Amino acid sequence: QVQLQESGPGLVKPSETLSLTCTVSGGSVSGYYWSWIRQSPGKGLDWIGYIHYTGSTNYNPSLNSRVTISIDTSKNQFSLKVRSVTAADTAVYYCGRGERLGIDPWGQGTLVTVSS
Amino acid sequence: DVVMTQSPLSLPVTLGQPASISCRSSQSLVYSNGNTYLNWFHQRPGQSPRRLIYVISTRDSGVPDRFSGSGSGTDFTLRISRVEAEDVGVYYCMQGTHWPWTFGQGTKVEIK
Repeated sequence: QVQLQESGPGLVKPSETLSLTCTVSGGSVSGYYWSWIRQSPGKGLDWIGYIHYTGSTNYNPSLNSRVTISIDTSKNQFSLKVRSVTAADTAVYYCGRGERLGIDPWGQGTLVTVSS
Repeated sequence: DVVMTQSPLSLPVTLGQPASISCRSSQSLVYSNGNTYLNWFHQRPGQSPRRLIYVISTRDSGVPDRFSGSGSGTDFTLRISRVEAEDVGVYYCMQGTHWPWTFGQGTKVEIK
């Protein structure tokens, strides 16, 4: 069965770039859409954006100018970068397979704290 | 963005009794292809969310048949026919019709 695992720094300084990678095991990234979602206490669940295995992307307009999602089919991974972070970007970040039908499965999530 | 409003936000339930969660959207969720992309998720404490139901009423593999989804347009409902202890946690509705896709604020189900 497909499993996903987020990895990356748990602490990022304000104004710097948050970088996370999602490694997919038990299946291929090819043929699917892959998404990043974050969950913060103050704002609930927010869809950051998604990428097709061909590389096409769609980003939430609220984050559009600061976000890049990329995919590496040879490594079976996809990645998230959020630039110029502030405390408001502190959240648990989830990667997952899927798009408008929802996410299934989800990664376990990784807490990223923005603080100096 | 489409606003998803769930009610109630907190739902104390008795084991073995039914439970119902309402989800309303600020716009119709009927997509151009005729499908309605309204999905339900369950998040247990300390865990990632898990999808239960998609396109209003299709249960995911392994989801017990005590869970059912219904509704149309802007009004949707998740029902649990007989609540079991493993059903505690937070339930979220999510719309996948209008980008950016959005979630409800969550309904916390706990045992009385």
